[in-house]
Amino acid sequence: AQSVTQLDSQVPVFEEAPVELRCNYSSSVSVYLFWYVQYPNQGLQLLLKYLSGSTLVKGINGFEAEFNKSQTSFHLRKPSVHISDTAEYFCAVSDLKGYGSARQLTFGSGTQLTVLP
Amino acid sequence: NAGVTQTPKFRVLKTGQSMTLLCAQDMNHEYMYWYRQDPGMGLRLIHYSVGEGTTAKGEVPDGYNVSRLKKQNFLLGLESAAPSQTSVYFCASSLKGNTEAFFGQGTRLTVV
Repeated sequence: AQSVTQLDSQVPVFEEAPVELRCNYSSSVSVYLFWYVQYPNQGLQLLLKYLSGSTLVKGINGFEAEFNKSQTSFHLRKPSVHISDTAEYFCAVSDLKGYGSARQLTFGSGTQLTVLP
Repeated sequence: NAGVTQTPKFRVLKTGQSMTLLCAQDMNHEYMYWYRQDPGMGLRLIHYSVGEGTTAKGEVPDGYNVSRLKKQNFLLGLESAAPSQTSVYFCASSLKGNTEAFFGQGTRLTVV
């Protein structure tokens, strides 16, 4: 079974400051990793994904994430945040083996990023 | 670009009533999912489908039923609503089980 832990439920940060949202996962096999963003009263949309290749992944809106296999982490970063980045961010993992249930996305509990003026 | 469409967007039910949530996708995706989102718990998978005519239980299936009679539609049913089913429900679809999932806008359900 796979699981995802988002270590911070709330992250307040001032505008133009850097931010890191932490995500750790556990799985017995190789995985795909995702970050989704949810703006208020909306559904989730994909921010970025790691499938294979370079461990540094760039996404939309200036976000990037680094896959660290030895530490089983996939932390999300942005060097300078804007007010409009205020949203909830979800890390998700899917493993590569099997079929059906083995390939479902498992989500973390989410991190609320609040950008302060 | 419709993507994934959920109906209704809001609903209030009395305890014991039944209802069906409809999810429709126009991307010819094989996989479809129903999640519920509760504060501090992230998204939890209720049921999913890996293709037309197939359904399977997820993490929290009790009290819900689903059907996938057509590839583009995935229905979530509550036979006898309970206050514990007050939540925001999201439908999603993906081409394969481990590829990007596309989400609907959600249905906010309140059971009183």
